[in-house]
Amino acid sequence: GAVVSQHPSWVICKSGTSVKIECRSLDFQATTMFWYRQFPKQSLMLMATSNEGSKATYEQGVEKDKFLINHASLTLSTLTVTSAHPEDSSFYICSARAGIPDMNTEAFFGQGTRLTVV
Amino acid sequence: GESVGLHLPTLSVQEGDNSIINCAYSNSASDYFIWYKQESGKGPQFIIDIRSNMDKRQGQRVTVLLNKTVKHLSLQIAATQPGDSAVYFCAENDNQGGKLIFGQGTELSVKP
Repeated sequence: GAVVSQHPSWVICKSGTSVKIECRSLDFQATTMFWYRQFPKQSLMLMATSNEGSKATYEQGVEKDKFLINHASLTLSTLTVTSAHPEDSSFYICSARAGIPDMNTEAFFGQGTRLTVV
Repeated sequence: GESVGLHLPTLSVQEGDNSIINCAYSNSASDYFIWYKQESGKGPQFIIDIRSNMDKRQGQRVTVLLNKTVKHLSLQIAATQPGDSAVYFCAENDNQGGKLIFGQGTELSVKP
């Protein structure tokens, strides 16, 4: 199956700093990528939809100035957690779909990034 | 908003037994569903999918059943193995923008 690579797999940062997470589709072009956040023992919560060449679409309650998303190419989307605080500590996961977003196609997921803010 | 939920948060089975994981969805317009397996510290892994024009689909040791009348989805794992221990999520395709909305999740524990 298609591969989505996420980097880094884990990161520890100081409170107040910013952290960038990369999501790459390695063997297919993804016009749309999705960013999720997951707390321990909970489900994946969709944060935003990343569209290549345009602004991301954020879910209700997600601060777009806090979580900056850039989708500069068909194979790369980045999520930057700005001015991170301990409550931003979480598991962040990206996914990508190879086909047209509205098509019923499988979504491939990255391995996730464990962010710890101290 | 629309949501996908699960009936059982935890499930413990004996190795070799069959497992059934259930999921209820609320959006009757959803036409595509996927089951994912997530191991600790990893991203979700695709297991099997089903479109709304089907009521059953089989894979290797797994079967997904879809009952659109009651908006219910289930995942059946035959001859459950210790390696099947993980959290299982159903996901519902949002026709607007292709978003996948995840259900609560069920943690499957397989006892040897």
